[in-house]
Amino acid sequence: EAQVTQNPRYLITVTGKKLTVTCSQNMNHEYMSWYRQDPGLGLRQIYYSMNVEVTDKGDVPEGYKVSRKEKRNFPLILESPSPNQTSLYFCATRDAGANVLTFGAGSRLTVL
Amino acid sequence: QQPVQSPQAVILREGEDAVINCSSSKALYSVHWYRQKHGEAPVFLMILLKGGEQKGHEKISASFNEKKQQSSLYLTASQLSYSGTYFCGTEGSYDKVIFGPGTSLSVIP
Repeated sequence: EAQVTQNPRYLITVTGKKLTVTCSQNMNHEYMSWYRQDPGLGLRQIYYSMNVEVTDKGDVPEGYKVSRKEKRNFPLILESPSPNQTSLYFCATRDAGANVLTFGAGSRLTVL
Repeated sequence: QQPVQSPQAVILREGEDAVINCSSSKALYSVHWYRQKHGEAPVFLMILLKGGEQKGHEKISASFNEKKQQSSLYLTASQLSYSGTYFCGTEGSYDKVIFGPGTSLSVIP
């Protein structure tokens, strides 16, 4: 089954404690992306990756890092989380042929 | 720049029709439509490409006016399962799909 798997699904942490949200896909897609979703703002792109070793900033990259060392994984790193990073995070992959985004189930992060 | 969606919210009775609009200030390569149910991930509905090609859902249709940078999603004979938040995503270049703030649609019996 085609899947985009995110972990953890829920996390409560404290300001400044580094954390990583993992994203893994089994569809062999080149393109992967991270979005955050906040009420009234829709989905805003944080970072995206066109292929392995190539990443670029989206619209709201401040406070986040990513890496793409292999095709299937695209972790999102918060080096020093702050309360304004409390949000619902989605990882997505993109099928180059159909141009369709497939989203993971989401990771709800709370920073106290 | 984030596209504008209208209306922000709509309530329908089963069987009624609805139109959700999306407009952008930039020239567009494509427009995507996704639906998100409460507590779930967004799910693909439709993509409209510059030049008129359209791929997507059987019971939902959409239009794309390239000159006006606008798209509309048409939901006919709505069902309870249509409830959710609808997002349009506009694309000026391949790598960036920018989503609107969403339209909340509730279908009641």
